[in-house]
Amino acid sequence: GIQVEQSPPDLILQEGANSTLRCNFSDSVNNLQWFHQNPWGQLINLFYIPSGTKQNGRLSATTVATERYSLLYISSSQTTDSGVYFCAVTSGSARQLTFGSGTQLTVLP
Amino acid sequence: DAGITQSPRHKVTETGTPVTLRCHQTENHRYMYWYRQDPGHGLRLIHYSYGVKDTDKGEVSDGYSVSRSKTEDFLLTLESATSSQTSVYFCAISIGHGETEAFFGQGTRLTVV
Repeated sequence: GIQVEQSPPDLILQEGANSTLRCNFSDSVNNLQWFHQNPWGQLINLFYIPSGTKQNGRLSATTVATERYSLLYISSSQTTDSGVYFCAVTSGSARQLTFGSGTQLTVLP
Repeated sequence: DAGITQSPRHKVTETGTPVTLRCHQTENHRYMYWYRQDPGHGLRLIHYSYGVKDTDKGEVSDGYSVSRSKTEDFLLTLESATSSQTSVYFCAISIGHGETEAFFGQGTRLTVV
C-alpha cells in the first residue's frame, strides 16, 4: 500500500516563529488532508488539498502531486497551535485514509 | 462538527470480556470507518463500511468485528478484549469531494485491564 512519511517528527518553536511541516507519499493520491490533533485528542480538519495551494488564516498548505509531497506552513505560531499534525492520503479507488506518523509541535510562550 | 457521535467516550474493561463501541452519524453518509490510534503508529484502519451490511477489513482487523444494520450507526465489537486492544478508537465518515474528505468523531479511550 501507499506509504506516508512526515517530517520532522518533533518541532519546538517560540511563539511568533514560522514553521514548515512536510509530508511525502509513495504513490499518486486522489485525496490529501492535513489534520491537527489538539492536546485533548480531537482531530481537527485543516485542509483538503490533493493538489495546489490553500490558505486559512495563519495556515497554508501546498501539494505538488507530481512530486509526491505536501507542505503545511504555520506562520506567527501561537501556543494553541501545539499538538500533533497529521497528513493522510487516499490512493486509487480506496476512500479510507492512510496516515503518516505525525509531527509533534510544541509552541513555547 | 460533522455530526458524528461516539459512545462511550471512555471505558475500562477486563481481559476476555466483549466490548462494543458505537458510532452514530446524523446524516446519511455512505462511508464510515473505525481507526485505532497508538503511540508511534498514527491512526490505522480497523474496518470500514460502504453501506448497510457492506463492510470490509482494514490494516489491523484481527480481533475486531463490525456491523452496520442502519445507515447512521456503525458498531465495532471486540469479541474478547485483550490488553493489546487498549487504544484510542476513532470513527470517521467521508463526505463531499467524491466521498473522500474525512471527518472524525471525538474518540473513545478504551483500557483493557
